[in-house]
Amino acid sequence: AQSVTQLGSHVSVSEGALVLLRCNYSSSVPPYLFWYVQYPNQGLQLLLKYTSAATLVKGINGFEAEFKKSETSFHLTKPSAHMSDAAEYFCAVSEGFGTGANNLFFGTGTRLTVIP
Amino acid sequence: EAQVTQNPRYLITVTGKKLTVTCSQNMNHEYMSWYRQDPGLGLRQIYYSMNVEVTDKGDVPEGYKVSRKEKRNFPLILESPSPNQTSLYFCASSLRQGTYEQYFGPGTRLTVT
Repeated sequence: AQSVTQLGSHVSVSEGALVLLRCNYSSSVPPYLFWYVQYPNQGLQLLLKYTSAATLVKGINGFEAEFKKSETSFHLTKPSAHMSDAAEYFCAVSEGFGTGANNLFFGTGTRLTVIP
Repeated sequence: EAQVTQNPRYLITVTGKKLTVTCSQNMNHEYMSWYRQDPGLGLRQIYYSMNVEVTDKGDVPEGYKVSRKEKRNFPLILESPSPNQTSLYFCASSLRQGTYEQYFGPGTRLTVT
């Protein structure tokens, strides 16, 4: 069975500070991992994905995430927060071509606030 | 422009009045899915479809129906809506099931009184 835990439903950072959003997963097979961003009143947009290639994945808008198998983690980081990064972020896991189960299983989300 | 469209964007209705939320994608994607988003629960899958005429239940299918008669369309049907179906609904599509990026529609905010 697969699951995702996002630590911290709300995270606040100052503009220019490091952004760190935490995601831990559980999967019975090597997982595929995703980060999605949801801006206010919009649908979800893919930030980046890990599909068993390089463990450090770079995404859009300066975000990156590192897959750490030993820690079952896939934390999202950005060196310097910008006001436009304020949004809700979702981590998701997929077990790829399964037997008809969920394509994606989402965490509960982390709302990022950027303080000027 | 490649996109997933949903209609309506906002809907207020009363208990028991049947409604349909439409979803359409123009990317020739095989896989389509419906999610509901509730505070503190993230997104939960309602139904999905791996291709035309192939649909299956997700995590929270009770009270919902879907159909996939054409590749581009995947409507969500609430035969007898109840207040606990008040939520934000998203349609999504991807090339196929698996590791492919899912493209999300803009969402439909449904209120059932």
